[in-house]
Amino acid sequence: VQLVQSGAEVKKPGASVKVSCKSSGYTFSSYGVSWVRQAPGQRPEWMGWTSPYNGDTTYAQKFQGRVTMTTDTSTSTAYMELRDLRSDDTAVYYCAREPESSSPYFDYWGQGTLVTVSS
Amino acid sequence: YVLTQPPSVSVAPGKPATITCGGTNIEGKSVHWYQQQPGQAPVLVIFYDNVRPSGIPERFSGSNSGNTATLTISRVEVGDEADYYCQVWDSSTDPPRVFGGGTKLTVL
Repeated sequence: VQLVQSGAEVKKPGASVKVSCKSSGYTFSSYGVSWVRQAPGQRPEWMGWTSPYNGDTTYAQKFQGRVTMTTDTSTSTAYMELRDLRSDDTAVYYCAREPESSSPYFDYWGQGTLVTVSS
Repeated sequence: YVLTQPPSVSVAPGKPATITCGGTNIEGKSVHWYQQQPGQAPVLVIFYDNVRPSGIPERFSGSNSGNTATLTISRVEVGDEADYYCQVWDSSTDPPRVFGGGTKLTVL
C-alpha cells in the first residue's frame, strides 16, 4: 500500500491550493480517504473525508465552504483543494487511508505536502 | 471531545514506557495510537484500543479503562523515540475524528 502526494507549494494569502494523493497497492474504491493537516509543532487536525466508492464527503465545520475533496477512480487519486488561504493554513497536509469502521482510524498515510502561505 | 496527553515521557532503554490519553468516559470509545518520527508521517501502532497492525512489534500494546487509555511500550529502544498521538471518533462533536495533543517519548 502506498499513498504518494504532490510536492510542496508556496501560495500567497487569498490563493487556492490543490494537493493530490495517488494510491496504489489496494482497491482504491474499497477505502475512504481522509485529509489531515499538521501545523508546525501542533497536533494533527482532521479536515474531512471522502469516499472513492460513491463520492460522498464529510468536512470538518471549520473548513466548510473553503475545502473540496474529490477522487478520480480511473487514476486512484484523491484531491484536496483549499481556497482563500491564510497564513495560519501553513502546515503539512496528509492524505490517509481510512478502512470502513464503526470507529474510524487511519492505517496508511501519504508522505505529506508542505503548504506555505506567505505574502 | 478533548483528549489529554502528557507533553513528555522519558525512559531508559530496555525499560517500559507508558503514555496516557485522558478523556471523559474514554472507555466507551475505541482509541487508536500513532507514532510520528521527526519529519515523517504518522504511523498507526495500535487500533481498537489494543490491536497491533501487521509489522508493529509485540512490544507495543494498549489498554482502555475508565477515563484513561494507555499505550505501553515494553523494553523501549532508541528507535522508539518519537511523538505519540491518541485518536478517537466521537460522532457528537465536530470534528468527529479527534487527536490528542501528543506525547514526546525521549529515550535517555
